[in-house]
Amino acid sequence: ETGVTQTPRHLVMGMTNKKSLKCEQHLGHNAMYWYKQSAKKPLELMFVYSLEERVENNSVPSRFSPECPNSSHLFLHLHTLQPEDSALYLCASSQGGVGGNEKLFFGSGTQLSVL
Amino acid sequence: GENVEQHPSTLSVQEGDSAVIKCTYSDSASNYFPWYKQELGKGPQLIIDIRSNVGEKKDQRIAVTLNKTAKHFSLHITETQPEDSAVYFCAATSGNMLTFGGGTRLMVKP
Repeated sequence: ETGVTQTPRHLVMGMTNKKSLKCEQHLGHNAMYWYKQSAKKPLELMFVYSLEERVENNSVPSRFSPECPNSSHLFLHLHTLQPEDSALYLCASSQGGVGGNEKLFFGSGTQLSVL
Repeated sequence: GENVEQHPSTLSVQEGDSAVIKCTYSDSASNYFPWYKQELGKGPQLIIDIRSNVGEKKDQRIAVTLNKTAKHFSLHITETQPEDSAVYFCAATSGNMLTFGGGTRLMVKP
């Protein structure tokens, strides 16, 4: 176990549904991340939070809405998604603040299928 | 921004043989180069990393080399075992951004 837990592990949703992905870290880390992993594409950074403040938003469509209520929890709210949004969504945390030199601890991901 | 190219995309080796995965990066200011291993059904896990002031680093059967002049770095796995089968990702840091390569699927045949 990496200390980062994601739920659900699998999610199937229609294009008109609203759902949320949840991530919880038990490591006492200060930064949390959402990554998107698609087939045949590199890991894409979506959002970064440091001490509950969003510090990075990589031009992600507004149908993805993150929420970080505290340093241990991170959500990704989904609405009116498109089939091309089907992917593995990975949550990660790091001990220090946001920085490319930080070791990332990943959860096992939520495999999302949009029908 | 940073661009990281990783080769090969798939690699099949016999158990006991060595495996080498190579990455190139574009930003000469990059200073941190981690490698992550992703097993089936799990998230990526850091296995080794190297910083720009070091040319080589070893950890048991795993080693990473860095050539700053040529802007490439490599992962070397010796005496491969079936449990080494996974997808391996290189990454490079430029500023606060970590950019990942496309991944290499390593298959170790018993």
